[in-house]
Amino acid sequence: QVQLKESGPGLVQPSQTLSLTCTVSGFSLTSYNVHWVRQPPGKGLEWMGVIWSGGNTDYNSALKPRLSISRDTSKSQVFLTMNSLQTEDTGIYYCNRNWLGEFDYWGQGVMVTVSS
Amino acid sequence: DIQMTQSPASLSASLGETVTIECRASEDIYSNLAWYQQKPGNSPQLLIYDANSLADGVPSRFSGSGSGTQYSLKINSLQSEDVASYFCQQYNNYPPFTFGSGTKLEIK
Repeated sequence: QVQLKESGPGLVQPSQTLSLTCTVSGFSLTSYNVHWVRQPPGKGLEWMGVIWSGGNTDYNSALKPRLSISRDTSKSQVFLTMNSLQTEDTGIYYCNRNWLGEFDYWGQGVMVTVSS
Repeated sequence: DIQMTQSPASLSASLGETVTIECRASEDIYSNLAWYQQKPGNSPQLLIYDANSLADGVPSRFSGSGSGTQYSLKINSLQSEDVASYFCQQYNNYPPFTFGSGTKLEIK
């Protein structure tokens, strides 16, 4: 069955770099797009970026200077790297997938706290 | 970027009632709209796609409607397990994919 699972450090110091991994199963990264969406505590959802099935990427313009998404298709993993973290980057980070439109499967999310 | 305006921000209703959540897009999104349910402590789950198509396994008391810039999610016969936050999302014009600000539904 389709699964996505995020992993990474729960605590990051201000100004440091966040590295997260999304490990997928039940589908191919060359057939589906994988997105990253984040949610500050008690707030709404913010789309961060996508790696398309063909390998190209697109980013939220507000995050583009700090954000990079890549993948390793042989390991069925997608990676998020974001630098210069600040306290406002605290929240739950989700990966999910889509094909044409809606996001049909989401990971469980990983909580990231930016604090010294 | 397309802006999604969702209302109300919170909603309290009794068991068995019918509730409606609205979402307005800043331009025509041609029914390229999804609704997600996020129960407390869980990740969002797809409820409705293409404005009115029910996702697999979603109870038929949920329905979506709308066109152009105006869309709505209706929940008939409210159940206790429907306590959640609900978000709309457009996928007509991207990037970015944009979400509404969410509606928190509670039982009165």
